[in-house]
Amino acid sequence: DAKTTQPTSMDCAEGRAANLPCNHSTISGNEYVYWYRQIHSQGPQYIIHGLKNNETNEMASLIITEDRKSSTLILPHATLRDTAVYYCIVMVGTSGSRLTFGEGTQLTVNP
Amino acid sequence: GAGVSQSPSNKVTEKGKDVELRCDPISGHTALYWYRQSLGQGLEFLIYFQGNSAPDKSGLPSDRFSAERTGGSVSTLTIQRTQQEDSAVYLCASSETGTRRTYGYTFGSGTRLTIV
Repeated sequence: DAKTTQPTSMDCAEGRAANLPCNHSTISGNEYVYWYRQIHSQGPQYIIHGLKNNETNEMASLIITEDRKSSTLILPHATLRDTAVYYCIVMVGTSGSRLTFGEGTQLTVNP
Repeated sequence: GAGVSQSPSNKVTEKGKDVELRCDPISGHTALYWYRQSLGQGLEFLIYFQGNSAPDKSGLPSDRFSAERTGGSVSTLTIQRTQQEDSAVYLCASSETGTRRTYGYTFGSGTRLTIV
């Protein structure tokens, strides 16, 4: 599976949009981009995933560049409860793939 | 159930004892993973079950660790002769699978294992 690169940490003001970048320059055509987050002392939580097109759900939006070498997770109106480590993971979308977590980005939402 | 259930939520055991950790995945989810997370560390893959296929055990750190999944549902992770370095949060996750897996994984709340 392709490797991802994320900033170690980011800060965001409460109520503002949080834009978390991820580079995956070696992504293959059949690999999806997944985002998870882990709030302190809890298990990881699935947020969103995509292949080529931008995606949106009740939690976030995922913007994938046309060349698919990078993506951005957008939390449109960050709250204090969004403070967590955010993981960008690239994985083949077929059975047998392993979910491998890197270091992630520690997002801190400030009041 | 509505989510992935793990038990116990906390376990304190003496060094050298055996422990069993249980995971109840979401009904119908055919893929099941075990991970562990040591304090302040990232998630470490342990083992993966997919339907009736042979499990991927490549992440198990030693032969003291084993896991089984009965009837394609409940899974048990067993650690024999526990050591202090086994102290961690053990997380279980399950997922739907199909011809192409495009679904997210649902994680349980984990079992916090402390070896004293």
